[in-house]
Amino acid sequence: AQSVTQPDIHITVSEGASLELRCNYSYGATPYLFWYVQSPGQGLQLLLKYFSGDTLVQGIKGFEAEFKRSQSSFNLRKPSVHWSDAAEYFCAVGDPGNTGKLIFGQGTTLQVKP
Amino acid sequence: EADIYQTPRYLVIGTGKKITLECSQTMGHDKMYWYQQDPGMELHLIHYSYGVNSTEKGDLSSESTVSRIRTEHFPLTLESARPSHTSQYLCASMVSGGYNEQFFGPGTRLTVL
Repeated sequence: AQSVTQPDIHITVSEGASLELRCNYSYGATPYLFWYVQSPGQGLQLLLKYFSGDTLVQGIKGFEAEFKRSQSSFNLRKPSVHWSDAAEYFCAVGDPGNTGKLIFGQGTTLQVKP
Repeated sequence: EADIYQTPRYLVIGTGKKITLECSQTMGHDKMYWYQQDPGMELHLIHYSYGVNSTEKGDLSSESTVSRIRTEHFPLTLESARPSHTSQYLCASMVSGGYNEQFFGPGTRLTVL
């Protein structure tokens, strides 16, 4: 069965510093991969997605992610973090078949220090 | 911008009450989903639908039920709310063949006293 692991439960970075959130997945074929962000009390907003092609994908709000098949990873990066980036970040993999289901990681809480 | 709506946003209710959480989308998406999320935790799929008159149980067992009479509407009902049902409920939708790309509503935070 597919699974997603986000090793870091909580990360704190200083404003202006770079950010990398880790995501590892378990899936045999080429997966559909997603990063979502959730602000407190809100729903999930799609940051970026990978289906195929170029392994470096650009998303909204200055985020990017790189798909590395050899490492089964899809890490999220941002070169300079803003205070408004403080939120919960979820990595997800698409379940194969017709259901359209997503399998989510446990989430990483990002705190930004001034 | 995805248009998917959930009402109410917040609900505090007593044990034993019947409640319905509303979810509507204006994108004409065939597939819709309900997730349950405890604070600071991952999302667990509790129900989904392929389209009108289709409902399926998700990966996490839930005492709630759903219906899909219209494409745009996917309400979730709890016949008798209990404190264990306290959680955030998120609705999502997706177009068929959409590579699992789901659009989420803002969620309903339910508290059962």
